Amino acid sequence: AQKITQTQPGMFVQEKEAVTLDCTYDTSDPSYGLFWYKQPSSGEMIFLIYQGSYDQQNATEGRYSLNFQKARKSANLVISASQLGDSAMYFCAMREAAAAGNKLTFGGGTRVLVKP
Amino acid sequence: DAGVIQSPRHEVTEMGQEVTLRCKPISGHNSLFWYRQTMMRGLELLIYFNNNVPIDDSGMPEDRFSAKMPNASFSTLKIQPSEPRDSAVYFCASRILGRASYNEQFFGPGTRLTVL
Repeated sequence: AQKITQTQPGMFVQEKEAVTLDCTYDTSDPSYGLFWYKQPSSGEMIFLIYQGSYDQQNATEGRYSLNFQKARKSANLVISASQLGDSAMYFCAMREAAAAGNKLTFGGGTRVLVKP
Repeated sequence: DAGVIQSPRHEVTEMGQEVTLRCKPISGHNSLFWYRQTMMRGLELLIYFNNNVPIDDSGMPEDRFSAKMPNASFSTLKIQPSEPRDSAVYFCASRILGRASYNEQFFGPGTRLTVL
């Protein structure tokens, strides 16, 4: 079974609007962390935001926020006020505490294209 | 501060040749990861090191792949002999081991490998 599922292969969003990128995960480990990375066309992987399984509040970092629904095992990324520079691939990833070395498992990614 | 440094950024080689990819992690980071990214398989973890010691190489596709970390500031991923199906972007990432609740991985810019 997939540990991280991103069901939206691609999506368009109008500049200045908000967009929500879906991410669901599968784990039996009570301690885990969820990450979102951005990969622009230049190829580098840029860390955006982190949510711990025991965090009481949803994580926020500037225009990025994470809608963490633990019971549903979802960790959707919300980008507010989209900008042209937000056009990129976005990857959701999970680290399970029990995983040796705390390695990350990545989803398949969602490509976002912001339209002017 | 310098981020994770990878070299070369691009490599084009012929089938059967040896390829060596290099990585310099962020100073002070003691955990290093090698990933491969392809359209078909997404981001795959190949191997990772903690304190220069290989911990899990189960993601290494076959014996043609080998990785070393002779010291805390340098790692290599070698493919010998290379095959066209090895064509991919190879990322190196590093983090500080031991911060159990938050372990962001910092990625290098990647090496785009093309095997003809």
